[in-house]
Amino acid sequence: EAGVTQFPSHSVIEKGQTVTLRCDPISGHDNLYWYRRVMGKEIKFLLHFVKESKQDESGMPNNRFLAERTGGTYSTLKVQPAELEDSGVYFCASSQERATDTQYFGPGTRLTVL
Amino acid sequence: AQSVTQPDIHITVSEGASLELRCNYSYGATPYLFWYVQSPGQGLQLLLKYFSGDTLVQGIKGFEAEFKRSQSSFNLRKPSVHWSDAAEYFCAVVPAGIKAAGNKLTFGGGTRVLVKP
Repeated sequence: EAGVTQFPSHSVIEKGQTVTLRCDPISGHDNLYWYRRVMGKEIKFLLHFVKESKQDESGMPNNRFLAERTGGTYSTLKVQPAELEDSGVYFCASSQERATDTQYFGPGTRLTVL
Repeated sequence: AQSVTQPDIHITVSEGASLELRCNYSYGATPYLFWYVQSPGQGLQLLLKYFSGDTLVQGIKGFEAEFKRSQSSFNLRKPSVHWSDAAEYFCAVVPAGIKAAGNKLTFGGGTRVLVKP
């Protein structure tokens, strides 16, 4: 069974440009999470989907970030326009139904904004 | 405020020696507790988790962790470290008793482990 996949693995963009990150969760996992690790800081929660609905987006830093999960399958996270402080590693995770179910993480997308 | 603390940013250990990574949490009630590992170029992999019951939890790759309520700690241990254990380790929590499906993890800052030959 395939794990959580993320694309691209790396992205280098100029400040002001737009970037879209994609996450494909494990098949059958209704819960999908986005997390981010900025250099030197801890991994922080961004948002949580249950199927196609946003359950919790309390961690989204500002309105330059837009997450979608069309049809309850894959998810995209768009940053527009990107700023220098958006640089970091963006992780996606998926899990089954319960709070105690393991969250399986993807390898992350390293975003560098120049 | 709710928080997770990993006091050690870096630890260097000799191959074959024992390893202990510290994790302390500050929550109103005992949360669900997790340890994840991130090897170079890889995603985070779950080592073990604690919800209730036996306070000594066995995980994968020969790791174990002990929950101590009185100390609000969940320290990770391995009796004999292998070179492949060089990685970054993260303690994480989810508030217990939440009925909503799934919940966000709150992470500690991570501990990077270097293994000397």
